[in-house]
Amino acid sequence: DVKVTQSSRYLVKRTGEKVFLECVQDMDHENMFWYRQDPGLGLRLIYFSYDVKMKEKGDIPEGYSVSREKKERFSLILESASTNQTSMYLCASSQEVGRWDRNEKLLFGSGTQLSVL
Amino acid sequence: AQKVTQAQTEISVVEKEDVTLDCVYETRDTTYYLFWYKQPPSGELVFLIRRNSFDEQNEISGRYSWNFQKSTSSFNFTITASQVVDSAVYFCALFLIQGAQKLVFGQGTRLTINP
Repeated sequence: DVKVTQSSRYLVKRTGEKVFLECVQDMDHENMFWYRQDPGLGLRLIYFSYDVKMKEKGDIPEGYSVSREKKERFSLILESASTNQTSMYLCASSQEVGRWDRNEKLLFGSGTQLSVL
Repeated sequence: AQKVTQAQTEISVVEKEDVTLDCVYETRDTTYYLFWYKQPPSGELVFLIRRNSFDEQNEISGRYSWNFQKSTSSFNFTITASQVVDSAVYFCALFLIQGAQKLVFGQGTRLTINP
């Protein structure tokens, strides 16, 4: 069963800590995405990547960085966690659009609920 | 600028009623995709449908149907004879493929089906 796996379902960190959120997909997808979800705001794109070692800023990249050293893994890094980064973080992946078939879609992981105290 | 608006923040209906979730989008791109995702209480996003910008055929899947109207930039979702298991947050999203390939979400509509 193809899937996107996020390493932690719940995470509690302290202000100022460096936080790593890991995402792994097993579908050989080129595209990977990190979103955060907040009530009333929907899902907002933080960063995305088209290929290994490539990254693009999304709509709210401030306070975050990413790493994609291998095609299957896309890491989100909070350099110095702050309380306003308490949120649900969702990872997604898809094939490069040029190879989309009729049923292609973005597949999402289960999410990581991060609390920064 | 690209934007998706789901004006209905919350909807509550009684089981077996029909309910329509509205979605309006903005983009200058001529080619794009539109999606609906369901997020049940478990939190995982479940894919429901994808529609291409060049295909305005409406679609029906069981109790679910989608009405895509390019002229009004709308992609509405109707659930017929709603059931308690339909209770979830529903997201409409726009996938841009010209330039940056990314999925832009609406704010979501929380649907509650009461028995």
